[in-house]
Amino acid sequence: QKEVEQNSGPLSVPEGAIASLNCTYSDRGSQSFFWYRQYSGKSPELIMFIYSNGDKEDGRFTAQLNKASQYVSLLIRDSQPSDSATYLCAVNNIDGTASKLTFGTGTRLQVTL
Amino acid sequence: EPEVTQTPSHQVTQMGQEVILRCVPISNHLYFYWYRQILGQKVEFLVSFYNNEISEKSEIFDDQFSVERPDGSNFTLKIRSTKLEDSAMYFCASSRGLSNQPQHFGDGTRLSIL
Repeated sequence: QKEVEQNSGPLSVPEGAIASLNCTYSDRGSQSFFWYRQYSGKSPELIMFIYSNGDKEDGRFTAQLNKASQYVSLLIRDSQPSDSATYLCAVNNIDGTASKLTFGTGTRLQVTL
Repeated sequence: EPEVTQTPSHQVTQMGQEVILRCVPISNHLYFYWYRQILGQKVEFLVSFYNNEISEKSEIFDDQFSVERPDGSNFTLKIRSTKLEDSAMYFCASSRGLSNQPQHFGDGTRLSIL
């Protein structure tokens, strides 16, 4: 059973601070890793994806991947109240022409004023 | 920016009835997916679809479920003889490719079984 683990939170950070979200996965064969943001009652919205070890930056967001440790993280700099949402870590496993995302339960982020 | 569209946004159905959830994937995408999310739980994979056939399905996707691409733009999920536990948000997603290609999600259909 392929698992993706996240701390459910809530993670509370003050406005302007850095939020650090973490995720571990069980399948060493996983190829690519995604962070989605989900507001309550809404669909997952892609924030970033990463497939090589190291860091990938996009604006205020940085994704970090360490395949040896089976660990993915998302840093949000200068956190804003509008960043308050649940952040879903998803791991992609590909087998032939088949691909599926395995999601974690999500970490709820609260950015306080 | 192109997006995945789903209809209806909310479907209320009596237990035992059949429902069809509709999706229009992004036009140049080749891979299509259905996921569901029961209230308060994680997003779960149901099925992936490529080249007019199912490429993978989960244990959830039993004989009650079927998918179809009836024309060049629509992708549908049919649930026969609905049960109370089928109540969930159903998300359609699409991707351009497999390797290192993100899946883009539609806004979802909230299915309520009475």
